Amino acid sequence: KAGVTQTPRYLIKTRGQQVTLSCSPISGHRSVSWYQQTPGQGLQFLFEYFSETQRNKGNFPGRFSGRQFSNSRSEMNVSTLELGDSALYLCASSLGAGGGYNEQFFGPGTRLTVL
Amino acid sequence: KNEVEQSPQNLTAQEGEFITINCSYSVGISALHWLQQHPGGGIVSLFMLSSGKKKHGRLIATINIQEKHSSLHITASHPRDSAVYICAGSMEYGNKLVFGAGTILRVKS
Repeated sequence: KAGVTQTPRYLIKTRGQQVTLSCSPISGHRSVSWYQQTPGQGLQFLFEYFSETQRNKGNFPGRFSGRQFSNSRSEMNVSTLELGDSALYLCASSLGAGGGYNEQFFGPGTRLTVL
Repeated sequence: KNEVEQSPQNLTAQEGEFITINCSYSVGISALHWLQQHPGGGIVSLFMLSSGKKKHGRLIATINIQEKHSSLHITASHPRDSAVYICAGSMEYGNKLVFGAGTILRVKS
């Protein structure tokens, strides 16, 4: 079974631009979660989608948004990029609806650099 | 105070040593996850546990629900175990994870 894939793997943008990252979950998985990892803040939860609905959202500004398609693929968008948005963005997929007992499978991440 | 705390932050061991990484949490969680991250970023799930103890090869994870504490043990450590180990709690609703800061482990040969 193919693992979680993320595209692109690397991105370089300038301040003020916007960016869209893509995540394809493991076949059959309906939950996709997004995380941001920075040296200063570590791993932080961005949002989670299940069956095209956002179920949880972390403490990030409205510039960070996402969506999920009917095939469970998910995208996240960051508008008006700031230098502090430079990070590794990871997505993870899970089989079930939640309740906390689902193993998460992580993609390789997209490394975003904002200049 | 962070909701999930790990110790130590950094750990250097000699090959063959027994290693313990600790994790304490202050929030209600449904399960505790131990994750491994190698340089380059990829994260692998090692264990997910809500009670007791799990073992996989040379890795053992335990959790004490009453004390809100979990430990990850590595027996007969090897240089290939060098990585960042992260504990995370999953919330009761959804699949949101709350992470500890990670433990950087270096095993020297």
